Amino acid sequence: DTGVSQDPRHKITKRGQNVTFRCDPISEHNRLYWYRQTLGQGPEFLTYFQNEAQLEKSRLLSDRFSAERPKGSFSTLEIQRTEQGDSAMYLCASSLRRQSTDTQYFGPGTRLTVL
Amino acid sequence: AQSVTQLGSHVSVSEGALVLLRCNYSSSVPPYLFWYVQYPNQGLQLLLKYTSAATLVKGINGFEAEFKKSETSFHLTKPSAHMSDAAEYFCAVSESNAGGTSYGKLTFGQGTILTVHP
Repeated sequence: DTGVSQDPRHKITKRGQNVTFRCDPISEHNRLYWYRQTLGQGPEFLTYFQNEAQLEKSRLLSDRFSAERPKGSFSTLEIQRTEQGDSAMYLCASSLRRQSTDTQYFGPGTRLTVL
Repeated sequence: AQSVTQLGSHVSVSEGALVLLRCNYSSSVPPYLFWYVQYPNQGLQLLLKYTSAATLVKGINGFEAEFKKSETSFHLTKPSAHMSDAAEYFCAVSESNAGGTSYGKLTFGQGTILTVHP
């Protein structure tokens, strides 16, 4: 049983460029979450999906950010017109929602550096 | 709104000593609580979770945590530190509705870096 995978692991880009990250959840997990972690801070929630439906978006997620989960499997997170403040670790987690709660399992993250 | 406070951004212990990492939460209804560990340049690994069953929760690698509603705390302990425990630890809360159903998203504390000296 493989865990959550994320690609790429590292991305360096110039300000103003667009970037896209991919997350592959644990097989059969119906929920997928995106978080952002800056240096010295805990992860902050960005958005999550149940199957293919995006159920919640944080106010942190500006118009430049968009996430998709077509067919309820992998997910992509796109950042348009990157800014230096977007530099962070982007973490993906997946879970199997059963009854009243779920436990999230995290991927290794994608570290974004915007020059 | 829910929040998590981890007291002490850095904790240093000697190998073999007790590890105590503090976490206090703020939530209007009984929450679900989690401890995760993060090694450098890696994602988060689940150590243990509280889901309203037993108040004393045992996790992996010899860690345990006790849920104390009266103190709104969920401190993480380990009787004897090992060099391999050196990492950053995060406490997280998932708020639930009045019926006990979790909303899902996690709110994390700022993290505590644990250093273990030989």
